[in-house]
Amino acid sequence: ETGVTQTPRHLVMGMTNKKSLKCEQHLGHNAMYWYKQSAKKPLELMFVYNFKEQTENNSVPSRFSPECPNSSHLFLHLHTLQPEDSALYLCASSRWGGALPGDGYTQYFGPGTRLTVL
Amino acid sequence: GIQVEQSPPDLILQEGANSTLRCNFSDSVNNLQWFHQNPWGQLINLFYIPSGTKQNGRLSATTVATERYSLLYISSSQTTDSGVYFCAVERLRETSGSRLTFGEGTQLTVNP
Repeated sequence: ETGVTQTPRHLVMGMTNKKSLKCEQHLGHNAMYWYKQSAKKPLELMFVYNFKEQTENNSVPSRFSPECPNSSHLFLHLHTLQPEDSALYLCASSRWGGALPGDGYTQYFGPGTRLTVL
Repeated sequence: GIQVEQSPPDLILQEGANSTLRCNFSDSVNNLQWFHQNPWGQLINLFYIPSGTKQNGRLSATTVATERYSLLYISSSQTTDSGVYFCAVERLRETSGSRLTFGEGTQLTVNP
């Protein structure tokens, strides 16, 4: 248990569906992240939110739409996805800002949502 | 951006054996983390180690920042150590949150 939860853990959707992934952190962090992990590839950063503001969009297609209503919750809204979007989607959180703490801005990851697009 | 190379890509051990995993990176970094990803996809933090040496039970890690590499040591390996080990690094930016660049990982299989 890392203090970061994700739901659902598994999702199968058609290309015309709309679904949302949810992430919640219980660590008091102020930065949250979405990563994509495709088979045989390293984790790729998708979005960064710092104090609820999006600070990075790593050239992600518009069919992925993030939302961060507060520092504890992060959503990823999905619509008209493609089969190549099938992957493990991981959420992470960390502290950010102020003096660098002893453990740095260590990121803690949720268990992921395994997405299959048919 | 920073390049991260991990070696070996695959490693098969018998239970009880020791191993060393390596992470090379292309630029100076403020942050380096080692993670273990279990077969269900969960990434577990092992070490935050931008420099120096740390130990946690059977695991230890050393980062030589001036030479841009880090090593993860696993001693007396157990079947539960199986999974993928990732090294991730970053150069901190002032503007916003931490951005980790991950290596491709080392797939470790420990056989009974």
